[in-house]
Amino acid sequence: DAGVTQSPTHLIKTRGQQVTLRCSPKSGHDTVSWYQQALGQGPQFIFQYYEEEERQRGNFPDRFSGHQFPNYSSELNVNALLLGDSALYLCASSLLGHNEQFFGPGTRLTVL
Amino acid sequence: GIQVEQSPPDLILQEGANSTLRCNFSDSVNNLQWFHQNPWGQLINLFYIPSGTKQNGRLSATTVATERYSLLYISSSQTTDSGVYFCAVKGNTGKLIFGQGTTLQVKP
Repeated sequence: DAGVTQSPTHLIKTRGQQVTLRCSPKSGHDTVSWYQQALGQGPQFIFQYYEEEERQRGNFPDRFSGHQFPNYSSELNVNALLLGDSALYLCASSLLGHNEQFFGPGTRLTVL
Repeated sequence: GIQVEQSPPDLILQEGANSTLRCNFSDSVNNLQWFHQNPWGQLINLFYIPSGTKQNGRLSATTVATERYSLLYISSSQTTDSGVYFCAVKGNTGKLIFGQGTTLQVKP
């Protein structure tokens, strides 16, 4: 039973660039959530996707956008990168109607 | 929104010792999870425990939803227990809200 997978594991970008992170949910799950974890902090909710639509959104600017595909996998896009976007980006999957979320290994983004 | 506070922020133990980590939350919740984050950043599910008590080996957890707190007990700690422990809750908004974590170091 495959767990949540994310790619890439590490990424280095420069200010102003754009980045795309990818997530495949746990087998049987249909809902994907994205979180940003800055160094020394707890993860912060970015948004959640279900049925290819954004269902919930946290307090993040429009530079952060996402997409969910028919196979339930998801992408997180960040435009016009800032130094402060450097963080660990975590993807979590769940089954709609079930509260427990399962997390992937994360993508560590460094913005120079 | 819901506030989540974890205590203590840091904890240092000798191998074999027991410990209790606490999570307080400011409003009623319909989901509470405990996670262990390993040094590589992976969040490992420990317990899904919106109420009641659960045990898994040396770990156990209790949530008293009416009093808005949860406790994670680690018995006979091992060096592999080191890492950051997070409590996360979900209220009516559906967003999972994390505490700041407890950093545990178990010394041999």
